[in-house]
Amino acid sequence: GAVVSQHPSRVICKSGTSVKIECRSLDFQATTMFWYRQFPKQSLMLMATSNEGSKATYEQGVEKDKFLINHASLTLSTLTVTSAHPEDSSFYICSANRDTEAFFGQGTRLTVV
Amino acid sequence: DAKTTQPTSMDCAEGRAANLPCNHSTISGNEYVYWYRQIHSQGPQYIIHGLKNNETNEMASLIITEDRKSSTLILPHATLRDTAVYYCILRGDNYGQNFVFGPGTRLSVLP
Repeated sequence: GAVVSQHPSRVICKSGTSVKIECRSLDFQATTMFWYRQFPKQSLMLMATSNEGSKATYEQGVEKDKFLINHASLTLSTLTVTSAHPEDSSFYICSANRDTEAFFGQGTRLTVV
Repeated sequence: DAKTTQPTSMDCAEGRAANLPCNHSTISGNEYVYWYRQIHSQGPQYIIHGLKNNETNEMASLIITEDRKSSTLILPHATLRDTAVYYCILRGDNYGQNFVFGPGTRLSVLP
């Protein structure tokens, strides 16, 4: 089946630094990818929709200047958490749709210290 | 907001069938019922989906009531590896749409 790969799976960074997370569709092209955030014991919450060749669409309450999204090609979207703070520590998950299904990456556990 | 309601948690004995219910009384005519699961610290995994007919694949069966207001996911022979959070999600036939996750059901398969 289709595969979405996310990298890195785990990252620890210092407060104030930036972290980039990559999401790749390995065997299909995705003009749209989605970025979710999941806090402990909570469900996935959509952060933004990444569109190839155009600006991302952010959900209400998500700061676009803090969470930079770049969808540079039909198989790659990146999420950069800028000036990270401890409250940005979370599990970040990307997904891409193919036909009737959504395929999810493995997730990235971000810890800001 | 998610348009489905599920029990918060369920237990199931290993080797027995796990039956996970989902209520979706406000489902629209073009909305499919999807089931995903999330094993701890992993991304969600597709299980099955259906519109109005019952569906079966190698992982599970999906039973949708005739009025489509509820459904049941059946794992026929649960194993310890089936311990996960199971999400019942409605999505229309716009395949470019994202999925909206509710709290799901935390299934614990017990030895």
